[in-house]
Amino acid sequence: SAELTQPPSVSVSPGQTARITCSGDALPEKFAYWFQQRSGQAPLLVIYDDTKRPSGIPDRFSGSTSGTKATLIVSGAQVEDEADYYCYSTDKTGRRVFGGGTKLSVL
Amino acid sequence: QVSLVQSGAEVRKPGASVKVSCTASGDTLTNYATHWVRQAPGQSLEWMGWINGRTGKAKYSERFQDRVTVSRDTSATTVYMDMSSLTFEDTAVYYCATSKIVGAICDFDYWGPGTMVIVSS
Repeated sequence: SAELTQPPSVSVSPGQTARITCSGDALPEKFAYWFQQRSGQAPLLVIYDDTKRPSGIPDRFSGSTSGTKATLIVSGAQVEDEADYYCYSTDKTGRRVFGGGTKLSVL
Repeated sequence: QVSLVQSGAEVRKPGASVKVSCTASGDTLTNYATHWVRQAPGQSLEWMGWINGRTGKAKYSERFQDRVTVSRDTSATTVYMDMSSLTFEDTAVYYCATSKIVGAICDFDYWGPGTMVIVSS
């Protein structure tokens, strides 16, 4: 299946750790990517190749993977981390697919 | 580092076509793969297709294959997304996103600001 499944929402208090999951059958073989999208803005890459962080992204953002599940971890979440987060990957045929998105609330 | 600028918002009637442009500054798109991704109001992101800046060849999501054309100008500074037979469900923000063909960390390293397309009767 080419679908990537995310929880609709995750809520944490400031300073807590937020974990956002992404499930997909091809994830054991394909990299997962994570995008942050603040309201009214274009997406921003925060994690690539499952666990790597682009330059300029705070080190409180990290990624992990296990089997068919990838996880975005925001350690010590800040109010400014409130946004929608999307996972992205490709299936075994190269079809590109995004997850349904997760709204992270930090309050 | 490349920056992307997109054309302005469009309003179309059902059945019409729309053409959205994506222009690069800081580099040409010759060495880039440029994708189009759309986002309907309150919805997730949806990949539509891409064009290889070197070869000019385009590939599309099966969902859009019959009514979307992605092209580039001869100078390879502007990429276009042309969509025909619009329906109300095509109301969305359309983003171009690009990455270097060699050395990219992701398909979508750089994003344009998005173009709102509204389909309304």
